[in-house]
Amino acid sequence: SQQGEEDPQALSIQEGENATMNCSYKTSINNLQWYRQNSGRGLVHLILIRSNEREKHSGRLRVTLDTSKKSSSLLITASRAADTASYFCATVPFSGSARQLTFGSGTQLTVLP
Amino acid sequence: DVKVTQSSRYLVKRTGEKVFLECVQDMDHENMFWYRQDPGLGLRLIYFSYDVKMKEKGDIPEGYSVSREKKERFSLILESASTNQTSMYLCASSTLSGGAWNEQFFGPGTRLTVL
Repeated sequence: SQQGEEDPQALSIQEGENATMNCSYKTSINNLQWYRQNSGRGLVHLILIRSNEREKHSGRLRVTLDTSKKSSSLLITASRAADTASYFCATVPFSGSARQLTFGSGTQLTVLP
Repeated sequence: DVKVTQSSRYLVKRTGEKVFLECVQDMDHENMFWYRQDPGLGLRLIYFSYDVKMKEKGDIPEGYSVSREKKERFSLILESASTNQTSMYLCASSTLSGGAWNEQFFGPGTRLTVL
């Protein structure tokens, strides 16, 4: 099964509202990464948060990490129509094969003008 | 501006054809990856390479091979394309810190259709 699972699978909001997406995972991680994918395009890295960090900001994005609950959230404030995209979390475990960057199946965010 | 490029955005091939997908990065990264992305399945790692001429299987290597002759170029090869290989193929590159992956830089993707 996948390491990172996003919730909800789909989210529809009005422009100007905040959007929150959650990611849960199962094993201890070194870091967790959030990506955005516009329809039919490649993924764009948004934020990387390490296991010893609790919160990171980048512009209108805020990511939190709760390692005790094995969960992370991505908050987009004052959303815009251009934020419409799929958002993925990816987890990097502490140990094991370095190949194990595991992506979840994503949250599809639609921001209505 | 850092960049990962892929040789084609869209590709249509016939069953049994040999298919080459090429990826080039200009960031001098040692590590390069090939994923496929299918609805409901997320991204799945096919192969990755951690150095020139080095490769390691990912989660779904069957039916694929790779080539890394130069640091900046990583090729994915479908020896005999099949319809179940119709998918979006994404190339990425990255670095390691303390044995863990940093952020990955992705190409725009190649949507391959096998008829």
